[in-house]
Amino acid sequence: DIVMTQSPDSLAVSLGERATINCKSSQSVLYSSNNKNYLAWYQQKPGQPPKLLIYWASTRESGVPDRFSGSGSGTDFTLTISSLQAEDVAVYYCQQYYSTPPYGFGQGTKLEIK
Amino acid sequence: EVQLVESGGGLVKPGGSLRLSCAASGFTFSSYSMNWVRQAPGKGLEWVSSISSSSSYIYYADSVKGRFTISRDNAKNSLYLQMNSLRAEDTAVYYCARDKADAVGAAFDIWGQGTMVTVSS
Repeated sequence: DIVMTQSPDSLAVSLGERATINCKSSQSVLYSSNNKNYLAWYQQKPGQPPKLLIYWASTRESGVPDRFSGSGSGTDFTLTISSLQAEDVAVYYCQQYYSTPPYGFGQGTKLEIK
Repeated sequence: EVQLVESGGGLVKPGGSLRLSCAASGFTFSSYSMNWVRQAPGKGLEWVSSISSSSSYIYYADSVKGRFTISRDNAKNSLYLQMNSLRAEDTAVYYCARDKADAVGAAFDIWGQGTMVTVSS
C-alpha cells in the first residue's frame, strides 16, 4: 500500500504570508500512460467535512480561491497558500488515488495564524 | 444542489451491528463510484471502502475487511455500509464521498456531513 506522509504536522503563519505544506508518497503516484499525478489536497475546518481543493496534484477545484496552488510530481508534492487569510485556518490532508484502492490520506497538517 | 446525506449512526455495543445509509441528490448517482471515509475523534481521515457505479468493483480497507459490506441501490440513489462485529476502534464519524469521475482513480469531490458511530459498552 502507498503511505502518505505530510510535513509539518502543524504550522503557524502570519496573515498575508505564504504557507507551504509538503506531502510525500512511499511510491510514485505518477501514471506514465497519461502523465497525471493521482494526488489530491483537502481542507477540513472544525465540525465540517473535508473539502476538495486540488486534484491531479495541481488542478484547482471549481470555486477554490487562486491563492491555493498545488505542485510536485512522482513522490513529492506541495500545497501552497500564497497569502494566508483568516478563513484558511484548517487541517489540510493530501490523498493518493493511484490505481485501485486503498486510497490513503496523509496524517494531516494543522494550519494556524501566528 | 448536489448533496449527500448520511444516516444510521448511533451507539452500539462491541460485537454489534449497524447499517449506515447515504442519500444522494442533485446528480446522476448511477454514474459515479462512491466511497466511505471515517474519522475517529480528534484523528485524521481513513479511507474505508469504495464501490464502482454498477457495483462491479468493491474494495475495503484491511481494518474492516470481512466485517463491513458496502452496497448501493441506484434506483433509490442510495449508498450503504453494513457494519458487523463492531469494535471500539470503529468509533468515528463516517462520511460518504463521491468520486469526481467513474474511473479507476479519482479524487473525492462531494462529501456528506457525516454520521457518528460510537462503539461502547
